[in-house]
Amino acid sequence: QSALTQPAAVSGSPGQSITISCTGTSSDVGGSKYVSWYQQHPGKAPKLMIYDVTNRPSGVSNRFSGSKSGNTASLTISGLQAEDEADYYCSSYTSTSTQVFGTGTKVTVL
Amino acid sequence: EVQLVQSGAEVKKPGDSLKISCKGSGYSFTTYWIGWVRQMPGKGLEWMGIIYPSDSDTRYSPSFQGQVTISADKSISTAYLQWSSLKASDTAVYYCARGATRFDYWGQGTLVTVSS
Repeated sequence: QSALTQPAAVSGSPGQSITISCTGTSSDVGGSKYVSWYQQHPGKAPKLMIYDVTNRPSGVSNRFSGSKSGNTASLTISGLQAEDEADYYCSSYTSTSTQVFGTGTKVTVL
Repeated sequence: EVQLVQSGAEVKKPGDSLKISCKGSGYSFTTYWIGWVRQMPGKGLEWMGIIYPSDSDTRYSPSFQGQVTISADKSISTAYLQWSSLKASDTAVYYCARGATRFDYWGQGTLVTVSS
């Protein structure tokens, strides 16, 4: 069960939009409606940002959106803000009823 | 308010046993899966396994099967992560979190340090 593949780092200027990809296989991302995204600030517990590919939990800014095409899911952050600087992880339910996380992406706001 | 409160930091020696805990409150503990996630120093998140406290149905990642034991005591709304013989490579922060297809609430994390 290999980790999902994410870019190590993505950066953008305040106000810009960035997209983080998350690539898996047909046994996880491609075959699952349960893809989630988490934000983690240094020294803090992760926070759920997107679940079931496109849904936002209550209280999460609508600047965060999720999508999926084939074996690749994506998280888009629009109107980038300084507070968005953090690590982001995707996760997918798998065909064996477990979950697998992505490798993680460090987002830097320039 | 949903809360998951984990036990405190631990410092252990290689070969020691250890059991850390995660107490849920503010929701029906028996109707949600509880999972454990490892984060080694400076590294990413790793899904370890989950348990359904109502009947103790448990699922493990292949990477952690046989390495740890996940259990729960529904009478006190507490889940556990247990090692029988720690290794230095078990040094990490361990998080508990609620859910099966997604983790919507997380504990604060428990730092486990294994060093001789």
